[in-house]
Amino acid sequence: KQEVTQIPAALSVPEGENLVLNCSFTDSAIYNLQWFRQDPGKGLTSLLLIQSSQREQTSGRLNASLDKSSGRSTLYIAASQPGDSATYLCAAQRLTGAGSYQLTFGKGTKLSVIP
Amino acid sequence: SAVISQKPSRDICQRGTSLTIQCQVDSQVTMMFWYRQQPGQSLTLIATANQGSEATYESGFVIDKFPISRPNLTFSTLTVSNMSPEDSSIYLCSVGMNTNTGELFFGEGSRLTVL
Repeated sequence: KQEVTQIPAALSVPEGENLVLNCSFTDSAIYNLQWFRQDPGKGLTSLLLIQSSQREQTSGRLNASLDKSSGRSTLYIAASQPGDSATYLCAAQRLTGAGSYQLTFGKGTKLSVIP
Repeated sequence: SAVISQKPSRDICQRGTSLTIQCQVDSQVTMMFWYRQQPGQSLTLIATANQGSEATYESGFVIDKFPISRPNLTFSTLTVSNMSPEDSSIYLCSVGMNTNTGELFFGEGSRLTVL
């Protein structure tokens, strides 16, 4: 059974700092890995998806890397802004026998960027 | 991506009652999923609701408690039956737009509080 762990559980940084969020997963047979952002009381916003054959993906100030062999992914946020404050969730996806997808989520890292 | 609308966005319910949550997507999708996020926890998959087949429930979730309908490619409902305070959660609808990448998108969620 896949288990996804995110460290740290919470992080507070001053505005402008670069930061790294960590995600580890126990089963390396993943189809892809997806990073989401969740604002309080809201749904999830997809940030980046890394397919199992890829090593990294970039979108603006965000860069996500994937190392399947070690079961790790990182989300790098450059030049953090107060608007980046949210909970960041990592999810490992596998294909099911029925040809569908199943995401296993970590508990998230709650990021606070202090102005 | 897709625009995913959920109704209600939030509700307060009495113990023993049932509530139906609606999920409307602005485009046709084959794969649709229902997740639950209990307070302070991460997301857990309840069931997969692909159009044209019966919903597939994950371990710990049963059809009598969480009946699902999927009448067409843009709409689904999840009913939470005979509610208890333990059912107080955010319920999220998710869709898969790209069968190659498996990327999933989420609605804003429906926050239920059971008294």
